[in-house]
Amino acid sequence: EVQLVESGGGLAQPGGSLRLSCAASGFPFSSYSMNWVRQAPGEGLEWVSYISSSSTSIYYADSVTGRFTISRDNAKNSLYLQMNSLRDGDTAVYYCARGAVAGHRGGMDVWGQGTTVTVSS
Amino acid sequence: DIQMTQSPSTLSASVGDRVAITCRASQSISSWLAWYQQKPGKAPKLLIYKASSLESGVPSRFSGSGSGTEFTLTISSLQPDDFASYYCQQYNSYPWTFGQGTKVEIK
Repeated sequence: EVQLVESGGGLAQPGGSLRLSCAASGFPFSSYSMNWVRQAPGEGLEWVSYISSSSTSIYYADSVTGRFTISRDNAKNSLYLQMNSLRDGDTAVYYCARGAVAGHRGGMDVWGQGTTVTVSS
Repeated sequence: DIQMTQSPSTLSASVGDRVAITCRASQSISSWLAWYQQKPGKAPKLLIYKASSLESGVPSRFSGSGSGTEFTLTISSLQPDDFASYYCQQYNSYPWTFGQGTKVEIK
């Protein structure tokens, strides 16, 4: 079964840090690009970051550039999001989502269940 | 950044109705557009990619059309399972952006 499972969410203080993880299974992880998408309470979806299959291309939303770092470990079938200098506005459910296979473009076709990040003092 | 604008924000409809949701891009995105369905407390589900390609396993009552800056998601005969929120998303250029969403409610 193709599956993505996020972990690492929780409560953090403004200015603090958290590291999210996403464990992938059931598909050749190293062949796919990956993304992080978030959803603030009661709000719509916001794309956060993209990483290509071999980590050679990385992109961020303007709202997190310079504070968040995406990475992956293909040997461990895992995706990460290091979040520093957290702000109240980063409070959201964070989803990892599978992108297209290398060399192709497509939507995000597999999603995890999400992990909740709350930034509050 | 490319802005994506969906309309309407809320749509009230009955089972069996044909419904259409529009998504407009602030600049041309060719056909690099996806549609997602999201139910409360659940992760989004990909319905349509490349503007009009139906994702595997998605019922054929869902269809997508358009190119450039104007796109439409159509549900040909609304079913009880279709009451949800729908989002368009462009993947023409980074940063990827979503529309604000359309909530399909029971009339």
